[in-house]
Amino acid sequence: GESVGLHLPTLSVQEGDNSIINCAYSNSASDYFIWYKQESGKGPQFIIDIRSNMDKRQGQRVTVLLNKTVKHLSLQIAATQPGDSAVYFCAENSGNTPLVFGKGTRLSVIA
Amino acid sequence: DVKVTQSSRYLVKRTGEKVFLECVQDMDHENMFWYRQDPGLGLRLIYFSYDVKMKEKGDIPEGYSVSREKKERFSLILESASTNQTSMYLCASSLKTFRGGGYEQYFGPGTRLTVT
Repeated sequence: GESVGLHLPTLSVQEGDNSIINCAYSNSASDYFIWYKQESGKGPQFIIDIRSNMDKRQGQRVTVLLNKTVKHLSLQIAATQPGDSAVYFCAENSGNTPLVFGKGTRLSVIA
Repeated sequence: DVKVTQSSRYLVKRTGEKVFLECVQDMDHENMFWYRQDPGLGLRLIYFSYDVKMKEKGDIPEGYSVSREKKERFSLILESASTNQTSMYLCASSLKTFRGGGYEQYFGPGTRLTVT
């Protein structure tokens, strides 16, 4: 079935709490980073992006933090809601190259 | 809004059949991509294209080919479908960048292909 071979890291949070999803990247030349949300049966949807000349960017209820020194990216979701339950992917690239995606983290919101 | 559409949401084909997956975008994007997504493996790049009639191999091109005759359309072809090509196929498009930094890739809804 769908779950065979599925070894996504899972984060479970209470509704209303803040969520932090982490991502490590390996290419020190990467200069563009992006977070996607993918709900079951749908294609990935853009959440927020950040370029390497910034270390923080905020959207509506979401914040992305970039630490280039340790090559780490995080997505913070404030006041997590049931509708936030999904798989979250980070991705990176440099120049006109395809995005390189992480394996994803499943966020499960407990009502 | 950017729209990336894929010809089918669900497709069932037999082993050995030739399969065409179509993708169309309406934002005049130069770049188009085909990925497959399998549980636990994330998104893996099959082929991509930077312009009409151009194609580049991604990480897993074996068993696939592509066609980009028009800017808005990018087709993925399975020459002889096999059961290990059962997967979710995702198409994406993006603007081309000429300097540093990429752009968001917009994804279609995906085609779930089952090869029996």
